[in-house]
Amino acid sequence: EVQLLESGGGLVQPGGSLRLSCAASRFTFRSYAMSWVRQAPGKGLEWVSSISGSGGYTHYADSVQGRFTISRDNSKNTLYLQMDSLRAEDTAVYYCAKDFSYSESSTYYSTIDYWGQGTLVTVSS
Amino acid sequence: SSELTQDPAVSVALGQTVRITCQGDSLRSYYASWYQQKPGQAPELVIYGKNNRPSGIPDRFSGSSSGNTASLTITGAQAEDEADYYCNSRDSGGNHYVFGTGTKVTVL
Repeated sequence: EVQLLESGGGLVQPGGSLRLSCAASRFTFRSYAMSWVRQAPGKGLEWVSSISGSGGYTHYADSVQGRFTISRDNSKNTLYLQMDSLRAEDTAVYYCAKDFSYSESSTYYSTIDYWGQGTLVTVSS
Repeated sequence: SSELTQDPAVSVALGQTVRITCQGDSLRSYYASWYQQKPGQAPELVIYGKNNRPSGIPDRFSGSSSGNTASLTITGAQAEDEADYYCNSRDSGGNHYVFGTGTKVTVL
């Protein structure tokens, strides 16, 4: 079964930086888009960013645009999230997630099918 | 609008049927997916597309949609179905994902 293992979370001061990693295994990593989704304590899920399988296309939520950078190394089966200018409101569990595409009536759609266990990022002085 | 709205909480008697709804303009163009999340765990996909269940998901879970509303139905709810449920879809532009506000399901 698909395995996604996040690392790199921890305590960081406001304005600081952190880089999250997600080691993927048991699927052909380069063939799938990947995403980061976060969940603040006691709150709902919030999509953060997605990257295409090749790494050539990236998308960001307005809340992190210009501060976070998603990237991937297909030779290492690893997804990254570089987080700069961190704010208290960025405090959350960050999940690495695998996208997959499916067809309905000859039209292709995509969704998230597998999630890692998450890594906690706490932004506080 | 890129928002997906869900009722905050619903309850269902053991063995009965419960339907959870998700409303948003983007659902007129994109199917919803549904995720189950139990305390301290990562979300798990239970329904995607028109009405598809990943391997291992019980057939008491089903999905449907009409207009700007998607629904997840649990027919014959079990104690282990008590969890938070989130819908998810693309936003109207198609490049971003958006999640629903979440529904807490309590099995009585």
